[in-house]
Amino acid sequence: KAGVTQTPRYLIKTRGQQVTLSCSPISGHRSVSWYQQTPGQGLQFLFEYFSETQRNKGNFPGRFSGRQFSNSRSEMNVSTLELGDSALYLCASGTGVGSIYGYTFGSGTRLTVV
Amino acid sequence: GQQVMQIPQYQHVQEGEDFTTYCNSSTTLSNIQWYKQRPGGHPVFLIQLVKSGEVKKQKRLTFQFGEAKKNSSLHITATQTTDVGTYFCADSFYGGATNKLIFGTGTLLAVQP
Repeated sequence: KAGVTQTPRYLIKTRGQQVTLSCSPISGHRSVSWYQQTPGQGLQFLFEYFSETQRNKGNFPGRFSGRQFSNSRSEMNVSTLELGDSALYLCASGTGVGSIYGYTFGSGTRLTVV
Repeated sequence: GQQVMQIPQYQHVQEGEDFTTYCNSSTTLSNIQWYKQRPGGHPVFLIQLVKSGEVKKQKRLTFQFGEAKKNSSLHITATQTTDVGTYFCADSFYGGATNKLIFGTGTLLAVQP
């Protein structure tokens, strides 16, 4: 079956701009989680959506937001970009109810803020 | 908040040598999942451990969950160059309104042929 699709793969933005990243989960998966990966902070949980509802949010400022559509596709948005937002943003697809198969990650979007 | 630390941060081995990474949590772990991330890649799920003292094997990989559910380990026997990458443990919360992974700091494994 098709994997997790994230678009775009690479993005360069200027400080102060906003950006929207997209994630299409595995067919049938209703949970989409987002993670930020940086060399300094490692992999950090941003938020999780399940059936169009945000169920949990990590410790990130309100500039980071997201949503999920009825087809389970998810978008995350970062407004007023800062240099420190440069990172690999990963989305993870899951059943949302616990699985021995874990989460399936997309290839990520590499965001560079200049 | 919870901290999940892994040691070592980095290990360089000769091909054929064994490798172990240790994962330690400041709080009791719910379930532990292990992921591997190849250089330039994304995390790939390896396994989940649920029960205290659980041991699971996947070919040359052995995963262990501590008796007190505060630590876990991954041991690779006779490493190969294909084992190169960063290994992450993650506390996996399921249930109710909380479904997320708290990742460990990772161990980067380099294998010299």
